[in-house]
Amino acid sequence: GENVEQHPSTLSVQEGDSAVIKCTYSDSASNYFPWYKQELGKRPQLIIDIRSNVGEKKDQRIAVTLNKTAKHFSLHITETQPEDSAVYFCAASIQGNQFYFGTGTSLTVIP
Amino acid sequence: SAVISQKPSRDICQRGTSLTIQCQVDSQVTMMFWYRQQPGQSLTLIATANQGSEATYESGFVIDKFPISRPNLTFSTLTVSNMSPEDSSIYLCSGNRGPNTEAFFGQGTRLTVV
Repeated sequence: GENVEQHPSTLSVQEGDSAVIKCTYSDSASNYFPWYKQELGKRPQLIIDIRSNVGEKKDQRIAVTLNKTAKHFSLHITETQPEDSAVYFCAASIQGNQFYFGTGTSLTVIP
Repeated sequence: SAVISQKPSRDICQRGTSLTIQCQVDSQVTMMFWYRQQPGQSLTLIATANQGSEATYESGFVIDKFPISRPNLTFSTLTVSNMSPEDSSIYLCSGNRGPNTEAFFGQGTRLTVV
């Protein structure tokens, strides 16, 4: 199956600063890349996704970039707020058949 | 996205017994998946539940240990068989509605084997 690596595993930022999380994938057939936020004891929730025909997508303070040639994609959160504190997972999927998740990044936003 | 109801939410089981986890989706979904997540860890795909046929298992997971059913487009079960303490984990079901669409999750089943 697909192998997804994610860095960093933990990230602390001051409120208002930006946070960047990076992922790489191994299978060039992967063409859908969602990002999930998981708060403690809760289910993962989609925050943004990108498809392989797009290089960048933005939704308010959240943006994702994709470099298919290099097989990596990144999540950017600007103007971070304490409620952004959570674990973030990237994932790669081939046509929505099987989703493979990265190892997760624990983000702490310090007020 | 659809709503997935998963039960039980938690259970404590004796080793050697089996537990069946159920997931009910409020509308039809194309794909359903089962994951395992150790606390503080990533989600590991166990298998894809195929409607009306045998599930597709990932490397390291076998049907005898994790039998899966999917009788229709809105329901699936995962059984954890002959449990040992190493099976203690959170089990999550997931579904999506088609290619390149989000996967949404049930609330998870926290299993403890003693």
